[in-house]
Amino acid sequence: DIQLTQSPSSLSASVGDRVTITCRASQSISSYLNWYQQKPGKAPKLLIYAAARLQSGVPSRFSGSASGTDFTLTISSLQPEDFATYYCQQSYSTPPAYTFGQGTKLEIK
Amino acid sequence: QVQLQESGPGLVKPSQTLSLTCTVSGGSISSGSYYWSWIRQPAGKGLEWIGRIYTSGSTNYNPSLKSRVTISVDTSKNQFSLKLSSVTAADTAVYYCARGGSQLLDLVYWYFDLWGRGTLVTVSS
Repeated sequence: DIQLTQSPSSLSASVGDRVTITCRASQSISSYLNWYQQKPGKAPKLLIYAAARLQSGVPSRFSGSASGTDFTLTISSLQPEDFATYYCQQSYSTPPAYTFGQGTKLEIK
Repeated sequence: QVQLQESGPGLVKPSQTLSLTCTVSGGSISSGSYYWSWIRQPAGKGLEWIGRIYTSGSTNYNPSLKSRVTISVDTSKNQFSLKLSSVTAADTAVYYCARGGSQLLDLVYWYFDLWGRGTLVTVSS
């Protein structure tokens, strides 16, 4: 099984801050890494796919990058609506055995 | 636009079979190259992929649940369904149906681009 470990598990930040969340894979997964945002009581929403591709309709303050087995989600300037939990997810496994990171809760400071 | 909606019993007894249906509206479940998945989330915890189905009937399951899971599709009703047998309290969760979309870049990249609202299933006697 491919394990994804997110850090930090929780994070406090202020509106306007630049925030970075990291997801580390237990083995190489190329760029098969997606990021989702989930607000309380809602379904997850796709933000980034293929490590760095912005999903249509997602604000450009969200960006993704990759370096080896480390993946990063960056929010360049936090907005009030960005306070949520963020998950990474790998789609590398064949046959598919998709796994998610444990989540990073982003809270208002 | 395409929407997904889960339906099914909110309460299931231990050792019984959990059954849920996802109805696709606003478009045909057979159009495009999509996989249709089930994903669950226990309260306060993370997401777990259960399995997926293509409209041809081809399936893939999470190895940890494979012995208890069956996913099927009914294209005439624009629905796909989940059955999870021998449930225990550990299967209590919000269950989501989701569409697996893809993008061809240098390779084909899969992601979950459309989700239902989710339905809470509680396993309790």
